[in-house]
Amino acid sequence: LAKTTQPISMDSYEGQEVNITCSHNNIATNDYITWYQQFPSQGPRFIIQGYKTKVTNEVASLFIPADRKSSTLSLPRVSLSDTAVYYCLVGPIMDSNYQLIWGAGTKLIIKP
Amino acid sequence: GAGVSQTPSNKVTEKGKYVELRCDPISGHTALYWYRQSLGQGPEFLIYFQGTGAADDSGLPNDRFFAVRPEGSVSTLKIQRTERGDSAVYLCASSSMTSGRTFNEQFFGPGTRLTVL
Repeated sequence: LAKTTQPISMDSYEGQEVNITCSHNNIATNDYITWYQQFPSQGPRFIIQGYKTKVTNEVASLFIPADRKSSTLSLPRVSLSDTAVYYCLVGPIMDSNYQLIWGAGTKLIIKP
Repeated sequence: GAGVSQTPSNKVTEKGKYVELRCDPISGHTALYWYRQSLGQGPEFLIYFQGTGAADDSGLPNDRFFAVRPEGSVSTLKIQRTERGDSAVYLCASSSMTSGRTFNEQFFGPGTRLTVL
């Protein structure tokens, strides 16, 4: 089962771009990379998902190098409300029987 | 549209008691997952339903835990003879491959915080 490694915590300031990198050295050919965000007392919320190169949506960008052994979640111009825990997961997207493995995530704290 | 809802939001019980936690998934979502989350940790998989059947219950910690989804929609997680170590937030999520989404795009409820005294 593919596992991920990401920093336990990060700090940044309002208005900055924040990049959170995740390592997944054993990613399989049919695995996608998925990122979730979780605020205190709430369930996780899907942010973005990708297979290779770059994916962008209204919330974030996801950069995936050619070897796919890592990925970087980029949050542009963060605000205090982006303070949350961010989880990186890998797994096949077409297989509902595959159970995503959740690590402890990265606790991101945004300061004024 | 309505998201995933869970009831109750909080449940305090005494050691040895029986509890039921309810999950209402997004309408039409065929996949339903239960997770357990302890403070400072990521969600821990418990059980997964595809329709009415439990497709994977490998995450259930022991036979005190059981879940059902009789009509392929609402699901109930049942815990018998609760122990203090069962205290955690129990999360429910649902997903579907309709509308261009994937099974990895799971929609989570707010969770039920279970406290066993």
